[in-house]
Amino acid sequence: AQKITQTQPGMFVQEKEAVTLDCTYDTSDPSYGLFWYKQPSSGEMIFLIYQGSYDQQNATEGRYSLNFQKARKSANLVISASQLGDSAMYFCAMRELIRTGANSKLTFGKGITLSVRP
Amino acid sequence: GAGVSQSPSNKVTEKGKDVELRCDPISGHTALYWYRQRLGQGLEFLIYFQGNSAPDKSGLPSDRFSAERTGESVSTLTIQRTQQEDSAVYLCASSPTHSPLHFGNGTRLTVT
Repeated sequence: AQKITQTQPGMFVQEKEAVTLDCTYDTSDPSYGLFWYKQPSSGEMIFLIYQGSYDQQNATEGRYSLNFQKARKSANLVISASQLGDSAMYFCAMRELIRTGANSKLTFGKGITLSVRP
Repeated sequence: GAGVSQSPSNKVTEKGKDVELRCDPISGHTALYWYRQRLGQGLEFLIYFQGNSAPDKSGLPSDRFSAERTGESVSTLTIQRTQQEDSAVYLCASSPTHSPLHFGNGTRLTVT
């Protein structure tokens, strides 16, 4: 079974500074994908970044980067140059990648609340 | 439409009544997912569809919950004999194979 752990309490960061949101995972699947989603107070789920388990390089997407440490089973999200609009709930998630091309469920962590201070 | 559409956006029902929640996925997306999110909590997986079949329905909390998908398109989540603990936001998502999920805005269900 897959498990995602996000244990940080509410996080605070000063505007324009960088912040790291922690995520550890557990799986027996040899091939998997890791995702980060943002959920602002409006409730929508916004996809941020994806990392495949066999990707050689850490994923980056604008101000978002994923610090992927496979041996430690961690997939931390780094947000650089924080903005007030980054205040939201952030969810780490993973799914097994099935060779046949079929999809599988996305398992989410409990989330981390980030507040950006002006 | 450009995104995943869910209806209704809000639903208030009395305990014991049945409710139907609808999801229109993005056209061409083979996979469709239902999640439940209680206030201040994470997303709880309910069921997912590959085409019209449901390979994984392990997250359905009880036999009061059921879902179907037709035409590899619209899906309906039905909750029978609603209970107060069913109050939550029900989120639908769709995706092509191995791609990130695209979420709808959810249906906020309140059982009084």
